[in-house]
Amino acid sequence: EAGVVQSPRYKIIEKKQPVAFWCNPISGHNTLYWYLQNLGQGPELLIRYENEEAVDDSQLPKDRFSAERLKGVDSTLKIQPAELGDSAVYLCASSLDGSVYNEQFFGPGTRLTVL
Amino acid sequence: AQKVTQAQTEISVVEKEDVTLDCVYETRDTTYYLFWYKQPPSGELVFLIRRNSFDEQNEISGRYSWNFQKSTSSFNFTITASQVVDSAVYFCALAKAAGNKLTFGGGTRVLVKP
Repeated sequence: EAGVVQSPRYKIIEKKQPVAFWCNPISGHNTLYWYLQNLGQGPELLIRYENEEAVDDSQLPKDRFSAERLKGVDSTLKIQPAELGDSAVYLCASSLDGSVYNEQFFGPGTRLTVL
Repeated sequence: AQKVTQAQTEISVVEKEDVTLDCVYETRDTTYYLFWYKQPPSGELVFLIRRNSFDEQNEISGRYSWNFQKSTSSFNFTITASQVVDSAVYFCALAKAAGNKLTFGGGTRVLVKP
């Protein structure tokens, strides 16, 4: 069974440019998560989807970050415009549903470097 | 507010040595869940264990064991007879009973030398 797929794996952009990350969760997983992981730190939740609905986006900086999961499967996370401080790894995870009993499966992440 | 502290940023051991990773948490909830994840160099976090706050029994899985002490708000993880493949960053995490929002600690990097 395929795991969580993320692309691209690496992205280098100049500040003020837009950037988008894509995530394909494990088939059948209704819940999708985007996490931000700064260097040397643990992941922090940005947004959680239950199917197409964003049920927890309290940590998403809405002035420059946006996300969508239009058909309840794939998801895209966008930053516009990117700032130097956005350099980090962006992790996507999925689980069967939002229950704490269902393990979150993580993708390999997208490493963003903003110059 | 919930908080997880992993005081050890990096531990270096020689193969076959035991290594214990500390995790201390803070929460006001009476029901909560604790987790350990492994992050190898490839980047994907791999789930290792979930424990609920009412189950204080220690658990052993192969070379891995976990010690949950509610009285000291700690959930420590021991790797027995470490191997080079155990080299990774290990994260402790905490979640409320409702929802599946994980609060992670800062991680401990384990380096096992041959």
